[in-house]
Amino acid sequence: NAGVTQTPKFQVLKTGQSMTLQCAQDMNHNSMYWYRQDPGMGLRLIYYSASEGTTDKGEVPNGYNVSRLNKREFSLRLESAAPSQTSVYFCASSQDPSNTGELFFGEGSRLTVL
Amino acid sequence: AQKITQTQPGMFVQEKEAVTLDCTYDTSDQSYGLFWYKQPSSGEMIFLIYQGSYDEQNATEGRYSLNFQKARKSANLVISASQLGDSAMYFCAMREASGTYKYIFGTGTRLKVLA
Repeated sequence: NAGVTQTPKFQVLKTGQSMTLQCAQDMNHNSMYWYRQDPGMGLRLIYYSASEGTTDKGEVPNGYNVSRLNKREFSLRLESAAPSQTSVYFCASSQDPSNTGELFFGEGSRLTVL
Repeated sequence: AQKITQTQPGMFVQEKEAVTLDCTYDTSDQSYGLFWYKQPSSGEMIFLIYQGSYDEQNATEGRYSLNFQKARKSANLVISASQLGDSAMYFCAMREASGTYKYIFGTGTRLKVLA
């Protein structure tokens, strides 16, 4: 029962390097999200995809790009990493709000940018 | 714009007592959903409880209940009979039902249950 799977779980980058965080869900959900969590800031929405083929900016999109590759997969790319992007990143998914619409989260990816 | 406010950065409660974690929200939508999540020290996000804006009764899930006061725009989480395992970070979140399906989170409350 995989749910939402994120890779990698840990990553250390140098300033200016690029990387992609991968996310896949096996629950046939339409909507997918990327959040970052920083101490004292809660979870802040970076980008989301309400359905396959669409993406929209959240609260803190600068420095990130996303791709909704298909219904299952939603990747987050850092083109030129900065120390300010050191954070824990969570991918999440939800069914459209015809039911409770709770978010299902991955286990998180801890990224450190030196 | 949506906003969630959790004004208690940290709370202490004695084991077996009840505790209330505050959450206020701001939205111009009539239809929305309110959620509470628990994040233990291991880091995963655990869904606890949901309240729809049109639900007339407060939601309950075991020892968790949501004290929903629509006019005051508050959605406080009440944990009854606290256990040591309840020590965690708790996040309040809101999703507006119109169009975008964005979920916005508060900054969280760290709860410590004392033996």
